[in-house]
Order: sequence, then C-alpha cells, then structure tokens
Amino acid sequence: NAGVTQTPKFRILKIGQSMTLQCTQDMNHNYMYWYRQDPGMGLKLIYYSVGAGITDKGEVPNGYNVSRSTTEDFPLRLELAAPSQTSVYFCASSYTGGGDTEAFFGQGTRLTVV
Amino acid sequence: AQRVTQPEKLLSVFKGAPVELKCNYSYSGSPELFWYVQYSRQRLQLLLRHISRESIKGFTADLNKGETSFHLKKPFAQEEDSAMYYCALRNQAGTALIFGKGTTLSVSS
Repeated sequence: NAGVTQTPKFRILKIGQSMTLQCTQDMNHNYMYWYRQDPGMGLKLIYYSVGAGITDKGEVPNGYNVSRSTTEDFPLRLELAAPSQTSVYFCASSYTGGGDTEAFFGQGTRLTVV
Repeated sequence: AQRVTQPEKLLSVFKGAPVELKCNYSYSGSPELFWYVQYSRQRLQLLLRHISRESIKGFTADLNKGETSFHLKKPFAQEEDSAMYYCALRNQAGTALIFGKGTTLSVSS
C-alpha cells in the first residue's frame, strides 16, 4: 500500500523559478490537501480539493496553484518561487472531509528557495 | 475564529513519568478534534480522535468543552513516545483540519 506519495523529497529552487510538487494517492480518496509547515509553526492549509475537477483556496494560497484532473493526483504549482516559500510541504488525503475521517499524509517535500 | 493552541513547544520527561500535552481550541459549536503524531523519519499519522473516545498506545484525550481543551495524557511515558504531537480541529466548513504548532515530546531514561 503506497498511500500518499509526494515527489520530490527535497528541492532547492532559485528565486523566480517555477516547479510542481507532485502528489498521488491510491486509496480512492475524494478529499486532498496541501499544507505547508514553516519552522516552529503548525501546518497551514494552502489548497484543498473535494473531488476531481474541484479545488478551493485554503488559508495561504498566494503564490500557488493546483489542479485536480483525476481522483489520484493533486499537483501543487509554484510559478515564481520566493524565499518566503521555503518550507516543508505536506500533501494529504481523506475519504471525506467531515466526521471522524482520518487524513493520510505524504512524507513531505522540503523546499528551499535561494 | 477557529484556532488551535498548543502552548508548549517542548516537553521533556523521564521514562515512567506522566505526560500531559496541552491543547486548547476556539470554535463555535461542537468541535471535532484529533491528535496527530510524527515519529522521527516517519510521516504524520493519526493518533486518536475525540469522537472515538479511544486509547491508543496508552494515550487518552478528553474533550472539555467548558475549558475548550483537548489535552493528551499518558500515565507512564515510554522512550518510544518521543515524537512531535499536533492537535488538530476540523474546520467549520468540514473541509480541512486546522493544526496547532505542535509539541515535541522527549522521553529520556
């Protein structure tokens, strides 16, 4: 069982570069999420999706874009990387968004923008 | 406002000592609360949820609506409990989790 898989695990970007963080899940979950975690801070929601073709902004969406063309994949795009986007990024998925539903997390992507 | 507060950044205890990781929340209505844990080099995973009223790995957490708290407790800490613990709250829209800043638990012998 792969669960939630994120790639890459580490990446260094130069200011102004763009990249896509990949996330895929094999549990047929409807809900998918992108969080970022800055040092000493909790996880902050960037974007989420409640199903294929549907995405919505979270708490900190500026500088990011997402798409959800399939149930399995939820890539996160950084168009013009800035030092403020240096963070650890976590992708997660859950079967539903409510109740006592468990969220399953990827192993994280550590991104440094220099 | 919906918010989760974990006041302690680090909690250090000796093996066999009781542990209490504090979590306070701000929410209108009936909250849905969770504890997630991240062991070294592992991914974040669910430890327990208040709705299940379960005990996992000896940990329990009781929802106290009067004090708006959901503290995580264990009577006798083990070295393998050393990890980062996050308290989380389901948001009002029911679409995502709101996380606290996390508490690092360090258990030494």
